[in-house]
Amino acid sequence: AQSVTQPDIHITVSEGASLELRCNYSYGATPYLFWYVQSPGQGLQLLLKYFSGDTLVQGIKGFEAEFKRSQSSFNLRKPSVHWSDAAEYFCAVPTYGGSQGNLIFGKGTKLSVKP
Amino acid sequence: DAGVIQSPRHEVTEMGQEVTLRCKPISGHDYLFWYRQTMMRGLELLIYFNNNVPIDDSGMPEDRFSAKMPNASFSTLKIQPSEPRDSAVYFCASSGVGGTGGNYGYTFGSGTRLTVV
Repeated sequence: AQSVTQPDIHITVSEGASLELRCNYSYGATPYLFWYVQSPGQGLQLLLKYFSGDTLVQGIKGFEAEFKRSQSSFNLRKPSVHWSDAAEYFCAVPTYGGSQGNLIFGKGTKLSVKP
Repeated sequence: DAGVIQSPRHEVTEMGQEVTLRCKPISGHDYLFWYRQTMMRGLELLIYFNNNVPIDDSGMPEDRFSAKMPNASFSTLKIQPSEPRDSAVYFCASSGVGGTGGNYGYTFGSGTRLTVV
């Protein structure tokens, strides 16, 4: 079965510093991959998605993610973090890897931003 | 578009009572998902629909939970009778446009925070 692992439960970075959130997936082929962000008291919002093609994808709010097949990873990055980026971030992969079925979410990484 | 609309935002009920959560998906989306979020278990899929038909309900915890989608613009998740362990945030999400498949990115509602005392 498909799975997604986010090794870091909680990360704290200083405002203006760079950020990388890790995500590893388990799937036999190249899956669709997603990153979502959840602000307190809110639903999840799609940051970016990867289906195929260029392995570096750009998303909203200045985020990007890179798909690395050799490492089964899809890490989320941002060059300079803003205080408003404090939230919880979820990586997700479809049950069947492609366009059908539901998404399986990682446990999430909570991001705190120091002034 | 107003997005996915869930109601109520908060629900406090006593154990044993019936609870009904409501969801209005984005117009034109043909997939609808119900998720439950808790600290211990994270985000769990309860059930999802495609074109108003339940496709996978294997995540529904037990017979106390039921979900319906009588038309393309409305879905309910019902818990009867409710128990304290049902306390969680319940999210509805919709996706897909005209048969393109559900995984071009979900749009989530703001959730219903359920507390069963």
